[in-house]
Amino acid sequence: DQQVKQNSPSLSVQEGRISILNCDYTNSMFDYFLWYKKYPAEGPTFLISISSIKDKNEDGRFTVFLNKSAKHLSLHIVPSQPGDSAVYFCAASAQNAGNMLTFGGGTRLMVKP
Amino acid sequence: GAVVSQHPSRVICKSGTSVKIECRSLDFQATTMFWYRQFPKKSLMLMATSNEGSKATYEQGVEKDKFLINHASLTLSTLTVTSAHPEDSSFYICSASGQGVQTQYFGPGTRLLVL
Repeated sequence: DQQVKQNSPSLSVQEGRISILNCDYTNSMFDYFLWYKKYPAEGPTFLISISSIKDKNEDGRFTVFLNKSAKHLSLHIVPSQPGDSAVYFCAASAQNAGNMLTFGGGTRLMVKP
Repeated sequence: GAVVSQHPSRVICKSGTSVKIECRSLDFQATTMFWYRQFPKKSLMLMATSNEGSKATYEQGVEKDKFLINHASLTLSTLTVTSAHPEDSSFYICSASGQGVQTQYFGPGTRLLVL
């Protein structure tokens, strides 16, 4: 049973527009959420995170929103750039579980010039 | 930001030999390191978790005698694939986190090909 799900396997966005990547989770014990960007044959690159005590965290063009009641988080990238094209993974962890990450299946973002 | 390196980036070996992969945290002390494996078109699969100075905790289905993990210092963990077989060919990625930090920082990965 997948505890973290990214229901959209791919997303295509025009350069300059907003990219919205979504993630849902089922485990209410998760208290920390992260987004990673990954290129083929490379390790994931940490982008942004959010603690469960917050509902929004912003870092430059990246903003993560957390809706705890809906067990949903999203990553907004604005404005989107062609260099943002990659696979994005959301991940969740719980302090009482040794901070192990549970990953979603990933969403491939394609930003068209 | 936190930097994690892996060496080698890719390795080709003969079936039956052992291969060691190093994971280093370059600018922070990694109290916990994680080893993942990625299959083609799949998400990362956690293999084991290691805390500095302790024995690694392996996930279900991962053979601890096959995949030897050593975390002898706060900046270095090694994964040794013993008696490698072609089915061990994969992309291996490590990550590291510091004391009290929930964020894991990943290395660039190691591509292993067993002939």
